[in-house]
Amino acid sequence: EPEVTQTPSHQVTQMGQEVILRCVPISNHLYFYWYRQILGQKVEFLVSFYNNEISEKSEIFDDQFSVERPDGSNFTLKIRSTKLEDSAMYFCASSPTGPLDSGNTIYFGEGSWLTVV
Amino acid sequence: DAKTTQPPSMDCAEGRAANLPCNHSTISGNEYVYWYRQIHSQGPQYIIHGLKNNETNEMASLIITEDRKSSTLILPHATLRDTAVYYCIVRVQGAISNFGNEKLTFGTGTRLTIIP
Repeated sequence: EPEVTQTPSHQVTQMGQEVILRCVPISNHLYFYWYRQILGQKVEFLVSFYNNEISEKSEIFDDQFSVERPDGSNFTLKIRSTKLEDSAMYFCASSPTGPLDSGNTIYFGEGSWLTVV
Repeated sequence: DAKTTQPPSMDCAEGRAANLPCNHSTISGNEYVYWYRQIHSQGPQYIIHGLKNNETNEMASLIITEDRKSSTLILPHATLRDTAVYYCIVRVQGAISNFGNEKLTFGTGTRLTIIP
């Protein structure tokens, strides 16, 4: 069964450093997402991406964050100048279509655990 | 998106049916009910979704009341591997005006524990 894959599974970084989390969405999916989950808290939406541009973002997704689809398969989340509070599990997700399609379902990867020290 | 209410925790004996309730009394006509689960700290796993008819797939059944104000997820024969946090989410779909509102909004869910 096709799945969303994420790398790295775990990354430790020093405060102030830049981090890039990588995702390979399911082939032929058109919508891409990043969510995060701070330990013990809810899964929170960060950003959705369609047709090479951001379609929606949350208040969390400020100038520190950026997303990119550099080629036909990868979808990346860049976090500049990391802070301690950026420590969380980051989930990438993809869906085949958008909200116009009643059959649309979002599929999640297994996550990248980011620890900022 | 409409808000949902779920019990914080439930237990179910292994082999029995697990029935997880969800209230979504403010759901609107173009909002679908989605169920996901999260096993430990893994990525949320899609289970099932529906609009107004009952749905069944290989994982579960979804029963939506006629007024659509509540629903029940049924795991017919629960196993230990079904121990997880289950999320009931309502999400608008099928409307051009909602383009850009594709996200899922997770609550705190129901922590289901399957008892051996």
